[in-house]
Amino acid sequence: DVKVTQSSRYLVKRTGEKVFLECVQDMDHENMFWYRQDPGLGLRLIYFSYDVKMKEKGDIPEGYSVSREKKERFSLILESASTNQTSMYLCASSFRSSPLHFGNGTRLTVT
Amino acid sequence: GIQVEQSPPDLILQEGANSTLRCNFSDSVNNLQWFHQNPWGQLINLFYIPSGTKQNGRLSATTVATERYSLLYISSSQTTDSGVYFCAVESSGGYQKVTFGTGTKLQVIP
Repeated sequence: DVKVTQSSRYLVKRTGEKVFLECVQDMDHENMFWYRQDPGLGLRLIYFSYDVKMKEKGDIPEGYSVSREKKERFSLILESASTNQTSMYLCASSFRSSPLHFGNGTRLTVT
Repeated sequence: GIQVEQSPPDLILQEGANSTLRCNFSDSVNNLQWFHQNPWGQLINLFYIPSGTKQNGRLSATTVATERYSLLYISSSQTTDSGVYFCAVESSGGYQKVTFGTGTKLQVIP
């Protein structure tokens, strides 16, 4: 069974801090995705990656960056956290044109 | 970018009732997926359905790619069907960007 693991379930950070959200998958998937979920807005794509060291901006990349140095790991970085980045963050992975598998999510609060 | 609209946004059903959820998308897609998010927030893939019809127990889905919509049917609903249902599409041409709709929140009452 596919396992997508996000490093933290809950995270509280202060405004201005640099924040790292980590995601690891164990199925050798090429594609990895970071979404944020907010009430009434569904899931919005922040960044995705289709190969090691490759990344593409999603619909809301401002204020975020990503890193994919190894195939199994995709990190989301908030360079300087702000209160409007308080949200649920969801990581997913897939083979090319195959179903997405999601992690359990990280609920980030920025105070 | 591609727009994905789901309807209705909210739905309340009596246990045992049937329902149809709709997903419209604004451009051609490589594939379409339906997900269920349970009350604990976990997203589970229900169908991977770029075209045609698939069935899994009480659930079935139909995608008509040429007309840019998909339908999710829930028959004989149960309280465990409660949650939010999302459709997600992979844009055609280039990288595998997957865009979600805003979801349909379903509540099944006993």
